[in-house]
Amino acid sequence: GAVVSQHPSWVICKSGTSVKIECRSLDFQATTMFWYRQFPKQSLMLMATSNEGSKATYEQGVEKDKFLINHASLTLSTLTVTSAHPEDSSFYICSAQTPGLAGGYNEQFFGPGTRLTVL
Amino acid sequence: QKEVEQDPGPLSVPEGAIVSLNCTYSNSAFQYFMWYRQYSRKGPELLMYTYSSGNKEDGRFTAQVDKSSKYISLFIRDSQPSDSATYLCAMRDSSASKIIFGSGTRLSIRP
Repeated sequence: GAVVSQHPSWVICKSGTSVKIECRSLDFQATTMFWYRQFPKQSLMLMATSNEGSKATYEQGVEKDKFLINHASLTLSTLTVTSAHPEDSSFYICSAQTPGLAGGYNEQFFGPGTRLTVL
Repeated sequence: QKEVEQDPGPLSVPEGAIVSLNCTYSNSAFQYFMWYRQYSRKGPELLMYTYSSGNKEDGRFTAQVDKSSKYISLFIRDSQPSDSATYLCAMRDSSASKIIFGSGTRLSIRP
């Protein structure tokens, strides 16, 4: 299957600083990438949908000014957590969607995740 | 009520047992039903997906979808210790890409 990478795999930062997480599709072009957050023993919650070259679409309750998403190319999307606070500590996972037929099943391939700890 | 309900477990069974994992859902528009496996501190990995109702088999894994009951299942035959992971059901409708995940069931296979 297709490979999606994330960098860094884990990061510890001080409260008030900003952290950037990269998501790359290594062997395919992804017109759409997704960012999820997962708290311990909970499911993945979609934060935003990112389309290459356009603004991300955020889910209800997700602050777009706090979680900045940039999808500048077909293989790279970035999530920047601005002014991070301890409650932002979580496991952040991206996925990249393969292009396919409209209305068909377009598989999402998930990255390995980034564990963010805000002190 | 959550759109997708899944028993979080944990579920512990001996090696070789048949495992049954289940989810219920409320949105009748869902058309694609997926099962993901997630190891600790890793991203989810797609095991199988099913379109609409019916069964799908892949090796030791069988997925079943009953749209009339809004109930999906994943069966694992001849379970192995390496199957120990969290299993997430997920689903979406036919037009949107947004996937709705269940909370995941933690499965442990005892040697």
